[in-house]
Amino acid sequence: AQKITQTQPGMFVQEKEAVTLDCTYDTSDPSYGLFWYKQPSSGEMIFLIYQGSYDQQNATEGRYSLNFQKARKSANLVISASQLGDSAMYFCAMREPWVSGNKLVFGAGTILRVKS
Amino acid sequence: DGGITQSPKYLFRKEGQNVTLSCEQNLNHDAMYWYRQDPGQGLRLIYYSQIVNDFQKGDIAEGYSVSREKKESFPLTVTSAQKNPTAFYLCASSMDDKQSPLHFGNGTRLTVT
Repeated sequence: AQKITQTQPGMFVQEKEAVTLDCTYDTSDPSYGLFWYKQPSSGEMIFLIYQGSYDQQNATEGRYSLNFQKARKSANLVISASQLGDSAMYFCAMREPWVSGNKLVFGAGTILRVKS
Repeated sequence: DGGITQSPKYLFRKEGQNVTLSCEQNLNHDAMYWYRQDPGQGLRLIYYSQIVNDFQKGDIAEGYSVSREKKESFPLTVTSAQKNPTAFYLCASSMDDKQSPLHFGNGTRLTVT
């Protein structure tokens, strides 16, 4: 069964606008963590933001914020004021400590292209 | 500076040969991971280790082997039994708790012909 679903294979956004990248997840573990990573064309994986399942507030890190809707099992990444350097592949990932030994499971990714 | 070092960046091998990818970390992390990435796709877990001298199979362990003799090192061997070994391989490490992100190396691009 698919644990992490990213339904948008590719997205375009105009520079300086905000964009939302979708992520839904499936778990029976009450304690889990959700992560977003950025992968530029160079291949490195850059950690962006973390949301814990018990966190009361949505996580924010600079221009990145996470729209966490626990009942819907969604954890969408919002990038505000897009920049050309934001063009990259973005991955949503989940960790389920009790169910699967703390390993991180990744979605298929969304390619984001920022237009000038 | 602390980090994860993967070497080499590019690796070329003939079919039928085993090849070992290096991964070293100086972050004092307990857990280490190996992922495989195929073009345009997500990361799939090959093996992971939460403690020295112990490791578990991930989702696509067939044709691969690992060892964890030291906390700092987690080498991956791609054996001749791996049917489609050409891929981008990423090593990662983390503290062994659910809040800690994975820190990744820069990857090794393996091409087998």
